Amino acid sequence: NAGVTQTPKFQVLKTGQSMTLQCAQDMNHNSMYWYRQDPGMGLRLIYYSASEGTTDKGEVPNGYNVSRLNKREFSLRLESAAPSQTSVYFCASTRLAGVFEQFFGPGTRLTVL
Amino acid sequence: ILNVEQSPQSLHVQEGDSTNFTCSFPSSNFYALHWYRWETAKSPEALFVMTLNGDEKKKGRISATLNTKEGYSYLYIKGSQPEDSATYLCAFSTGTASKLTFGTGTRLQVTL
Repeated sequence: NAGVTQTPKFQVLKTGQSMTLQCAQDMNHNSMYWYRQDPGMGLRLIYYSASEGTTDKGEVPNGYNVSRLNKREFSLRLESAAPSQTSVYFCASTRLAGVFEQFFGPGTRLTVL
Repeated sequence: ILNVEQSPQSLHVQEGDSTNFTCSFPSSNFYALHWYRWETAKSPEALFVMTLNGDEKKKGRISATLNTKEGYSYLYIKGSQPEDSATYLCAFSTGTASKLTFGTGTRLQVTL
C-alpha cells in the first residue's frame, strides 16, 4: 500500500517548456487535489477533483490544467512554464472531501529558469 | 476566498513546556476543521478532523478544541519534545465540503 505517489520528485524547466506532474493513489479515494507550497504562503489549492470525472478550479489555477484519468490518477500539466511557477507541488487524496483527512504525496520540487 | 488565520506564526519553546496555537476561521457555513502536522522535508500528516461545536480530540500529548460559533480552534501540546518541532497547519471547509482552505501554519521549534 504505497498511499499517494508523485513523479517526478525534482524537475528543472526552462521558461516556456511544458511538463506533466503525475499523481496516483491506491487507497480507493474519491477526491484528489493539487496544491502548491511557497514560502510564507502555506498550501494553496490549484485544482481538485471531488470525484472521478469532475475537476474544478481552486485558488490559483492560472497556467495549469488537470486530468482525472481514472479514480487512481490525477495529473497536473504546465503548458508553458513560467518562473512564477517555481514551487513545491503536493498531490493529496481523501475518501470523502471535507469529512475525512487528506493524505499527501511526497511532493515535486519544480524550478523554472 | 475564505481566510483561515493562524497565530502565532512561529514559536520557540523549551523541552517540557506546554504550548498552544490558535486557528481562526469564518463561522458561517462551517463544515469541518482539520489540523495537520508538517515536518520539514516531509508531507503534511493529519492530526484531527473536527466537525461539531465543542468537539475535543486528543492524540497522545496533543489535543484540539473547536468553537464553531465564534470561529476558532485551539491546538495544545503538553510537555513539548524536540520531535514535536514542525509546522502545524489548520484547514477549513464550508458546507459544500469539496475542498479545504489552509492557513499559513504555526512553526514550532522545541529545544533541549
